Amino acid sequence: QVQLVQSGAEVKKPGASVKITCKASGYTFTNYAMHWVRQAPGQRLEWMGWINAGDGDTRYSQKFQGRVTITRDTSASTGYMELSSLRSEDTAMYYCGLGGFDYWGQGTLVTVSS
Amino acid sequence: DIVMTQTPLSSPVTLGQPASISCTSSQSLVHSDENTYLSWLQRRPGQPPRLLIYKISKRFSGVPDRFSGSGAGTHFTLKISRVEAEDVGIYYCVQGTQFPRTFGQGTKLEIK
Repeated sequence: QVQLVQSGAEVKKPGASVKITCKASGYTFTNYAMHWVRQAPGQRLEWMGWINAGDGDTRYSQKFQGRVTITRDTSASTGYMELSSLRSEDTAMYYCGLGGFDYWGQGTLVTVSS
Repeated sequence: DIVMTQTPLSSPVTLGQPASISCTSSQSLVHSDENTYLSWLQRRPGQPPRLLIYKISKRFSGVPDRFSGSGAGTHFTLKISRVEAEDVGIYYCVQGTQFPRTFGQGTKLEIK
C-alpha cells in the first residue's frame, strides 16, 4: 500500500533553515509528482510547491519563491522540502502528498521560536 | 491565483441528516485537457487530509458512497447523504487545474 513517512518534528530559531524528508513506498516513485502543503494554526491549507519525481521539474508558489527548495532522491524514493530564512509565521504542520492529493504523509510540525 | 471560496464555514448537522458544502472558484477549473480538477478533502482532528472526491464527482478508493460531488465550471458541491459521527472534521475543496494549487478556507462539520 502507498505510504509516505515524514521526518520528525523540528524546533528552529528565526533565520534558520529546516529540511523535511518524505520517504515513499508502495508505488513507483518516479511515476508521480509530490506536493508540499502546510497548515499554520487557524489557517487554511497552503500549497508550497511540487516536484515531478520522474524528471525533477519543480513548481513553486510565488509566496515561497526564493525560500523553498524541493528535491528528490530517486534511489531512496524520498522527497525533500527545505525552507530557509524561517520566521515565526512559518510555524505550521507541513505535509507531503502525491500529485493528485490522493495520499499524504503524517505531517511534520515545525516550530519557529527564539 | 485562483481563489476558492467555501460556504458555509461551519455546518452543525444532526446525525443521520444530510449535509452540503459549496465551493466556488474565481475562474473556470476546466483544464485544456477538458478535465476539471476539483477535489474534496476531509481533515479529521489530529490526522492528515484524506482525499474523498476528485475530478468533481469521482469517489476515491474506500470512500463511502454517502459522499458525493457535483458541479461544473466554477461552482461545486460536496454532499453527505446521511451524516455519521465519524464525518466530524473540516472539509476543503482544492483545485488542481492551475499552478499554484489553491484550497478553500475549509468548512467545519460538527454534530448538533
